[in-house]
Amino acid sequence: QSALTQPASVSGSPGQSITISCTGTSSDVGSYKVVSWYQKHPGKAPKLMIYEGSERPSGVSNRFSGSKSGNTASLTISGLQTEDEADYYCCSYAGSSTYVFGTGTKVTVL
Amino acid sequence: HLQLQESGPGLVKPSETLSLTCTVSGVSMRSSNYYWGWIRQPPGKGLEWIGNLHYTGSTYYNPSLKSRVTISVDTSKNQFSLRLSSVTAADTALYYCAGFGDYDAFDIWGQGTMVTVSS
Repeated sequence: QSALTQPASVSGSPGQSITISCTGTSSDVGSYKVVSWYQKHPGKAPKLMIYEGSERPSGVSNRFSGSKSGNTASLTISGLQTEDEADYYCCSYAGSSTYVFGTGTKVTVL
Repeated sequence: HLQLQESGPGLVKPSETLSLTCTVSGVSMRSSNYYWGWIRQPPGKGLEWIGNLHYTGSTYYNPSLKSRVTISVDTSKNQFSLRLSSVTAADTALYYCAGFGDYDAFDIWGQGTMVTVSS
């Protein structure tokens, strides 16, 4: 069970859109819709932003959206804001009641 | 509302056993639909899933840690616990407890507790 692969960093200017990829295998991302995304600010606990690949929990801005194609899931942040600067992690079900996180992506708002 | 709080020693010696407890408040573990989990983050690194538990006692572990991990529940105290044996410096991390609920995701997290493995 290897960590899902995410780009180390992604950056964008305020108002722009950015997309973070999360690449797994046919044993995890490619086989299940149970993919979630978490936002983590320094010193804070992770916050659930997307579940089941593309669903938003109540209270999460609709600027955050998720999708999946094959073995790759993606998180898109539109209308980038300074408060979106954080680390983002994907997480996928990996079968047999196990889960695997991504390597994490640092989002910088220029 | 539902809250989680980790507790336990912040310093553990190499080869010894790390023990942490997560206290659940705001809901009875017996009556909720949640699974309860542990996740850790080594300094400067990403999140790593350690394992999940259901209040009935069913447990599920990360294959890479399975031989050293035990997660257990004490429903009378509304707590669940993590034990990680034979620790090394590589187990130094911020340990989070979390609730895995109806979203099929970790939708509630504790604040985390730092554990350092050092002699």
